[in-house]
Amino acid sequence: DQQVKQNSPSLSVQEGRISILNCDYTNSMFDYFLWYKKYPAEGPTFLISISSIKDKNEDGRFTVFLNKSAKHLSLHIVPSQPGDSAVYFCAASGETSGSRLTFGEGTQLTVNP
Amino acid sequence: GAVVSQHPSRVICKSGTSVKIECRSLDFQATTMFWYRQFPKQSLMLMATSNEGSKATYEQGVEKDKFLINHASLTLSTLTVTSAHPEDSSFYICSGRTRAGTEAFFGQGTRLTVV
Repeated sequence: DQQVKQNSPSLSVQEGRISILNCDYTNSMFDYFLWYKKYPAEGPTFLISISSIKDKNEDGRFTVFLNKSAKHLSLHIVPSQPGDSAVYFCAASGETSGSRLTFGEGTQLTVNP
Repeated sequence: GAVVSQHPSRVICKSGTSVKIECRSLDFQATTMFWYRQFPKQSLMLMATSNEGSKATYEQGVEKDKFLINHASLTLSTLTVTSAHPEDSSFYICSGRTRAGTEAFFGQGTRLTVV
């Protein structure tokens, strides 16, 4: 049972344009959501998070949007840079899961110069 | 952010041998340590959760006698893959969390290849 899903395995955008990565979840008990970036053979690095009491959180070029009614979140990167090319994982946690993270499958973002 | 140091980054071992992976939290006390495994083009899958001083809790389908986890201190957790087989070849990642924290900090990962 995949509780966190990233339906797009890959995304390709031009440098300078906006990258939009999507994530859907099914567990209504999730109340905290995170995005991680992962380069090959490295551990994930934290990018940005959002609590369920908010619908938007912004940090520099990264903005995360949360639509609780649709159980959907998205990560916007603007402007996209070639160094942003990596696999992006969304993750969710909730009190009932002991703050364990449940990850999506990941989306490979490629930003072309 | 907080730093979790994971070693080794890569290891190749012969089938039937054991491999130990270490994770150290360098600037915080990791009350809880999570161990994940990632197969190519798949999501990070939680293997087990360990709290300092307690036995680890393993996810369904993960053999606790094969993947030995020790979390004896607030700054060190180890995962030992015993009697490794080629199907254990994977990318293993640890993640540490403080008692009050909602964010988990990841190690750099270990690429295990069993030949």
